[in-house]
Amino acid sequence: AQSVTQLDSHVSVSEGTPVLLRCNYSSSYSPSLFWYVQHPNKGLQLLLKYTSAATLVKGINGFEAEFKKSETSFHLTKPSAHMSDAAEYFCVVSHASGSARQLTFGSGTQLTVLP
Amino acid sequence: DTEVTQTPKHLVMGMTNKKSLKCEQHMGHRAMYWYKQKAKKPPELMFVYSYEKLSINESVPSRFSPECPNSSLLNLHLHALQPEDSALYLCASSQIGTGGRGSLFFGEGSRLTVL
Repeated sequence: AQSVTQLDSHVSVSEGTPVLLRCNYSSSYSPSLFWYVQHPNKGLQLLLKYTSAATLVKGINGFEAEFKKSETSFHLTKPSAHMSDAAEYFCVVSHASGSARQLTFGSGTQLTVLP
Repeated sequence: DTEVTQTPKHLVMGMTNKKSLKCEQHMGHRAMYWYKQKAKKPPELMFVYSYEKLSINESVPSRFSPECPNSSLLNLHLHALQPEDSALYLCASSQIGTGGRGSLFFGEGSRLTVL
């Protein structure tokens, strides 16, 4: 069984300050973990993914995440927030289901960036 | 730019109407997915097609009828919907054969309103 917990439903930061969005997971397998971003009225865009290679994963738009097995965490960070980062962020764990994928989504974190 | 294209972007329909949502991808992916997303919630899986065959149906009511006419196209036929079916419908695709490691690529969604 797999589950994902996003520890904060809302995060608010000032432009130019660091961003931290927290995610803990539970998985019976060696997990594949993803962060997706969703801007208002848009689809989901893949930010980054961890698939058992390097534990520090770099993504698009300056985001990165670190896989910590001992803490079962996959927190998303960015050194300096930009106004365009304001969006909903989903932490996701994936496993194979037959020949397709089954995704388990966290409940989401709404990021607000203040000027 | 997303490589999964969904049409229409917006759809308003009455409870007695019949309409269809369409999804197209040209990435050579052989798994395609329909998700339903209500406001402020993560996406919920509805259907999965693998090699153009329905592989997962998450107990979706029969008023939603999926169809995969070829490896690039995925349709969702709608009939006798209820107002509570109003939501953002997301299409996604993925490669087959990479276990849980492969990413899902999402379209921008079709916003459905049922009156």
